[in-house]
Formats: sequence, C-alpha cells, structure tokens
Amino acid sequence: QEQLQESGPGLVKPAATLSLICTVSGASISRGSDYWGWIRQPPGKGLEWIGSISHAGRTFYNPSLESRVTISVDTSKKQVSLKLRSVTTADTAVYYCARHPSSVTGWIYWYFDLWGRGTLVSVSS
Amino acid sequence: QSVLTQPPSASGTPGQRVTISCSGSTSNIGSNTVNWYQQFPGTAPKLLIYNYNQRPSGVPDRFSGSKSGTSASLAISGLQSDDEADYYCAAWDDTLSGPVFGGGTTVTVL
Repeated sequence: QEQLQESGPGLVKPAATLSLICTVSGASISRGSDYWGWIRQPPGKGLEWIGSISHAGRTFYNPSLESRVTISVDTSKKQVSLKLRSVTTADTAVYYCARHPSSVTGWIYWYFDLWGRGTLVSVSS
Repeated sequence: QSVLTQPPSASGTPGQRVTISCSGSTSNIGSNTVNWYQQFPGTAPKLLIYNYNQRPSGVPDRFSGSKSGTSASLAISGLQSDDEADYYCAAWDDTLSGPVFGGGTTVTVL
C-alpha cells in the first residue's frame, strides 16, 4: 500500500529552521513520472502549496516562500525533506507531503493524488 | 485571502443536489484544469476530482466537476451524511507559477 509519512519536530522557535522529512513506502520514489510536494494548512484555514521536487531533484517553489525554502530528495532512503528558514508564528500549520504525477512526455500534472497524514508544527518560544 | 474564491458554506438535505462554486481568473481556472479535494476534520485532503471532471478510483459518480470561463463547480448529487466535509478547489496559476487553492467550503447535511 502506497503511503507517505511526515516526521519532524512539533515545536520550532521563532527565527529557527523548520525541518521535516517525508518517507515514501509502498511506492517508488525514483519513478520518473512522480513529483513530491509539500503543502501546509494553518489551523482552521485553507491549503497553501510550498513546493515540489522530482526524483532527479528538479524543484518548484511557491514564489512567496522561495527565499526561505529548500526541498531535497534522497532516493536511497526514499525520503523528501523540507527546510523552512527564519520561521515566525505565521508558519504554524499542519504540513503535508503529497504526490503529483507527470505524463510520459514530461507534462506535470498539478493534482495531488496521494497524501501523508500531515504533521502539526507550532512556532513558539 | 485565497486566490480562488469559494463560498464558506453550503448545505442540503439527504438526497438533494448541492453545488459548490469556485471563482478564479484567466491566469488560473480560465486557462488550466481544475481539481477538487475533500477533507474530513483532522484528516488529510483527498483527491476528489481532477482535470475538471475525472474521478480517481473509488470516488462515487455522485461527485462531478464542471467549468465555465473563469469559474468551476463541484456538484454532489444524492447528498449523504457521509458527505459532510470541507471541499477545496485548486488550479495552476500562470502568474503565480504554482498551484493555488480556494478557501474551502464546508458542506453540511441538514
């Protein structure tokens, strides 16, 4: 069964770096047709895309967060990581990793068909 | 403030048809495909509709999507109590260079 599992600290101090890992199981992270994204949801609010990465390391970032975000992939560990620098209380949210596919011709589809359960990260001193 | 605009709530009685609107612009809905997600409290979103009106395996055909110009709609026919959830629309935005979401609509079964 394909699964995504987010992990990382649930509490981060202001101005610090938020670091999360998404572990892929039951699916091949190296399959060329898949991209792996991070999406967050502040408590009681809507969804915001943070960025995505391919198995080969091609990245796409939300322009509003790009200056603070780094997404990387480790195919040997079947993990995708997220780093968000200089966090503030506005970064408090449930962080999800999710998969989105691409076509055989390389066209990227921006619908997320597999999601992790999410992990709540609170930014507080 | 979400890029795509949805009504905060919608409701209906069991068996009714409920429609949720999603308003955007030429840079998103007007020129790209629309996707819909269903989210129950405390759980992750689930893909409900992709590429306007395609359903992933396991999603009942009571759910359908449509688009007209810069707006899209999700219809739920034969409303059931299990359909009580939040629903989000999403689309790629050419100007923002990324996928954007609506603010979500909470569906209540009366």
